[in-house]
Amino acid sequence: EAGVTQFPSHSVIEKGQTVTLRCDPISGHDNLYWYRRVMGKEIKFLLHFVKESKQDESGMPNNRFLAERTGGTYSTLKVQPAELEDSGVYFCASSGDRGPYEQYFGPGTRLTVT
Amino acid sequence: AQSVAQPEDQVNVAEGNPLTVKCTYSVSGNPYLFWYVQYPNRGLQFLLKYITGDNLVKGSYGFEAEFNKSQTSFHLKKPSALVSDSALYFCAVRDSISSGSARQLTFGSGTQLTVLP
Repeated sequence: EAGVTQFPSHSVIEKGQTVTLRCDPISGHDNLYWYRRVMGKEIKFLLHFVKESKQDESGMPNNRFLAERTGGTYSTLKVQPAELEDSGVYFCASSGDRGPYEQYFGPGTRLTVT
Repeated sequence: AQSVAQPEDQVNVAEGNPLTVKCTYSVSGNPYLFWYVQYPNRGLQFLLKYITGDNLVKGSYGFEAEFNKSQTSFHLKKPSALVSDSALYFCAVRDSISSGSARQLTFGSGTQLTVLP
């Protein structure tokens, strides 16, 4: 069974540019989450999809971040325009739809905004 | 609001010795608790979870964790450390009473474990 995949693994962009991160969850997982870890701090929740619907986006820092999950499969997270404080590692995770299933994480995308 | 504390940024232990990585939590209801490990240049890997039942849970790679409700702790342990266990360890919690709309995990800040040969 393939795990959660994320693309790209690294991205270096200039302040003001746009970046789009992609996440492919484990096949059959309805729940998809985005988290990020900034400057070695704790991993913080950004948002949660159930299929194609945003279930909880309380962690999104501001309206420069836009997440989509068209068709309930892969998800994208767009940052536009990027700011220096957006640098960090963005993790995607997925889980099944019953019980307190553990979330399976992808390898992360390391975003550097210069 | 839920929270997790990992009081040690760094833990060093000699190979073959037992190791403990500490975690305490705070939730409104009963907790679901998780440990994840991140090896260099890799993603977070699930190690083990506590949902209910036996307070001692066993996970991957010989790791175990003990749930202590009175102390609100969920320390990660291993009887005999290996050099290959060196990695970054994260404790996470979720409130069991949260509905399907609130399944987010709250993580601690991580503990860097170094096992010395």
